[in-house]
Amino acid sequence: GENVEQHPSTLSVQEGDSAVIKCTYSDSASNYFPWYKQELGKRPQLIIDIRSNVGEKKDQRIAVTLNKTAKHFSLHITETQPEDSAVYFCAATGNQFYFGTGTSLTVIP
Amino acid sequence: ETGVTQSPTHLIKTRGQQVTLRCSSQSGHNTVSWYQQALGQGPQFIFQYYREEENGRGNFPPRFSGLQFPNYSSELNVNALELDDSALYLCASSWSSLAYEQYFGPGTRLTVT
Repeated sequence: GENVEQHPSTLSVQEGDSAVIKCTYSDSASNYFPWYKQELGKRPQLIIDIRSNVGEKKDQRIAVTLNKTAKHFSLHITETQPEDSAVYFCAATGNQFYFGTGTSLTVIP
Repeated sequence: ETGVTQSPTHLIKTRGQQVTLRCSSQSGHNTVSWYQQALGQGPQFIFQYYREEENGRGNFPPRFSGLQFPNYSSELNVNALELDDSALYLCASSWSSLAYEQYFGPGTRLTVT
């Protein structure tokens, strides 16, 4: 089956700086890569996703890049704000979702 | 349009007991997936139901079973509860088994003592 690795496990940045979270996957058949944000005690929320036929996608301060050859994808958050503090999960999917282990992001005011 | 809902919010059971968790999918969605999320971990796929049929299963034993009803709501049943079953159980719905955008419910926190 698929194996998704996510790094770093924790990340602290100053407000206004950028944050980058990286994931690798093993199954070349995976073709959809969503990112979820989970605040403490709340449900995971889809924040951005990318399909295997696209290399990059941007939505305001959030962007995702995908390198199919290297089997890795990354989440980029620019101009971070305290409300960006949460746990972020990547996932790779073909016929089912495989989630990474999560990155706890803290944005320091 | 209503979002994904789950019940109950919290549940405490004793080892060896059985539990049923419920999920109502988002309006217009016919696919429900169930996940187990242990503390500090990512969600682990249990299984998916599409139009009342199981449509994929993760690495969970047969004592984890499910149902989907004609209105696309779903149940997760766990028999012979073990201490390691303590976790947040999430369901997610999507508009097709072939579509990938999944929207999660708030989860049921299960504690097994």
